[in-house]
Amino acid sequence: RKEVEQDPGPFNVPEGATVAFNCTYSNSASQSFFWYRQDCRKEPKLLMSVYSSGNEDGRFTAQLNRASQYISLLIRDSKLSDSATYLCVVFSGTYKYIFGTGTRLKVLA
Amino acid sequence: DTGVSQDPRHKITKRGQNVTFRCDPISEHNRLYWYRQTLGQGPEFLTYFQNEAQLEKSRLLSDRFSAERPKGSFSTLEIQRTEQGDSAMYLCASRTANSPLHFGNGTRLTVT
Repeated sequence: RKEVEQDPGPFNVPEGATVAFNCTYSNSASQSFFWYRQDCRKEPKLLMSVYSSGNEDGRFTAQLNRASQYISLLIRDSKLSDSATYLCVVFSGTYKYIFGTGTRLKVLA
Repeated sequence: DTGVSQDPRHKITKRGQNVTFRCDPISEHNRLYWYRQTLGQGPEFLTYFQNEAQLEKSRLLSDRFSAERPKGSFSTLEIQRTEQGDSAMYLCASRTANSPLHFGNGTRLTVT
């Protein structure tokens, strides 16, 4: 079983739609969680950290469920510019950041 | 904050040749990582430095790979006797103790 698992997609959604991605992790001792965004042939960039109580940044909402060991990302009112790959990242608290394979999102006009 | 800088951006080499990549982290970041990414996959951890000490090296890294960070600032990743399977994007990232990872724009290696 992979340490961090994501549905690779692609998710094709119309502009204005709401879309949600989930990510599961296997190490129950994991301490920190993040969503990164990666555009085609570019480096990953931090989208948002994920806090235990859930957090929101504009149209983006991240949730953490420690009991079920998953995190989620909700994007409301999707824009064409949201088209990218979204990487789930888990930090175990020593040094290692583990990345999922990413979920591809394509927002259609 | 000038960001993490990697050089070169692209490298095409013939199988069997040696290549070296350089990473300059954000200046106050004492932690530095190398990752490798292939198409359709997430970044895979290769190695980690805290200051000049290489504290962890992935089993993905064969003996042909070596990384250094001699003065705790910039880092180099060398691949000896390259193979076609080494073709990938090599990403460098850095952070402080309390910040998340910041990535450079990567070095894309093509082995022909």
